Amino acid sequence: DTGVSQDPRHKITKRGQNVTFRCDPISEHNRLYWYRQTLGQGPEFLTYFQNEAQLEKSRLLSDRFSAERPKGSFSTLEIQRTEQGDSAMYLCASSPRNGAAYNEQFFGPGTRLTVL
Amino acid sequence: TQLLEQSPQFLSIQEGENLTVYCNSSSVFSSLQWYRQEPGEGPVLLVTVVTGGEVKKLKRLTFQFGDARKDSSLHITAAQPGDTGLYLCADYNYGQNFVFGPGTRLSVLP
Repeated sequence: DTGVSQDPRHKITKRGQNVTFRCDPISEHNRLYWYRQTLGQGPEFLTYFQNEAQLEKSRLLSDRFSAERPKGSFSTLEIQRTEQGDSAMYLCASSPRNGAAYNEQFFGPGTRLTVL
Repeated sequence: TQLLEQSPQFLSIQEGENLTVYCNSSSVFSSLQWYRQEPGEGPVLLVTVVTGGEVKKLKRLTFQFGDARKDSSLHITAAQPGDTGLYLCADYNYGQNFVFGPGTRLSVLP
């Protein structure tokens, strides 16, 4: 399978704990996106990487959130001191550098976070 | 900030019926995309349209892009239970990021 993968698929944590999610994009894709999706809503943009550089961050990404993409390969999204409002599906997507699919995103299956 | 609206919010129909869902933008689309998302999964791209007035067909799905590039419709003919899901429209702001609408949740009953 050469699609986008995310780990874990589900995470249950207690309020105040830290959590970290991982995304492995399609290997030849240099752009990587993180989104948050709450029930009944469309994905909301969180942040965007081109290779290892984090080029854009949404105002939704408070100081409790941090994302990295070391070496321009996999990416991690960490949430510190989780709050119940952080409960959502966290989606990762990747896009190629160029070619016919330049403006297309390929999504992973998501990580569903539940904060108790 | 671009805002995308989708209607209806929910739609429940019987197998075999036809349906149309809509997407409207507060500003001109750069590159309109339609996705379908099944429960517990990430969205899957259905189509990308760029030119105003463009019509694309994908089996029983017909996508239409408005002449002014601010609205789009998705028409499904003879809906099947496998069409059930959340239909999302999105705009790709070149070099920036993607903006998604809230989606239309479709349920096709057998």
